[in-house]
Amino acid sequence: NAGVMQNPRHLVRRRGQEARLRCSPMKGHSHVYWYRQLPEEGLKFMVYLQKENIIDESGMPKERFSAEFPKEGPSILRIQQVVRGDSAAYFCASSPNRGGVKNIQYFGAGTRLSVL
Amino acid sequence: LAKTTQPISMDSYEGQEVNITCSHNNIATNDYITWYQQFPSQGPRFIIQGYKTKVTNEVASLFIPADRKSSTLSLPRVSLSDTAVYYCLVGDATGRRALTFGSGTRLQVQP
Repeated sequence: NAGVMQNPRHLVRRRGQEARLRCSPMKGHSHVYWYRQLPEEGLKFMVYLQKENIIDESGMPKERFSAEFPKEGPSILRIQQVVRGDSAAYFCASSPNRGGVKNIQYFGAGTRLSVL
Repeated sequence: LAKTTQPISMDSYEGQEVNITCSHNNIATNDYITWYQQFPSQGPRFIIQGYKTKVTNEVASLFIPADRKSSTLSLPRVSLSDTAVYYCLVGDATGRRALTFGSGTRLQVQP
């Protein structure tokens, strides 16, 4: 059972370009979470999605950032018109269930975005 | 969301037992306590989760007192490979709220 797959692992963009980060959850998982991590800091929650639905986007900036998790295919975190402050590691996690015990999240290896 | 407080860093030597305590004074009735481990350039990895008393798995033990306002992660006989950042999270196991990561505890294990 493959783990959470994120690609690309490293992404370099110039200011003003768009960044698209992909996340394929573990097989059987229908819940996806995106986090951002700056160097020497903890992970900051951005958005929580279930298939075709955004459940909680309270941590995501209102402008330039969007996320989707279509019925088919990976979850996408899209950053438009990137700025240097967007440089960070972006982690995706998935979990198998919304309710019940042990809402454990399984993380991917992350995408490191560098904005020049 | 329940806020957690844990030491910024800890040092240990190989073979010692390490205990990392996390405070979560405003934990809610539905909240579970979960610990994750993160190595440099990797995503966090689940270690252990509990609600009350004691939980043990092949990696660690988790001690939770009756009032649940704190918890202690215990790592027996640490090795150099246990050097990592350890995060204590308190969250609603029903999934209606996202988990909140604090700054974590940076554990450095020396030979």
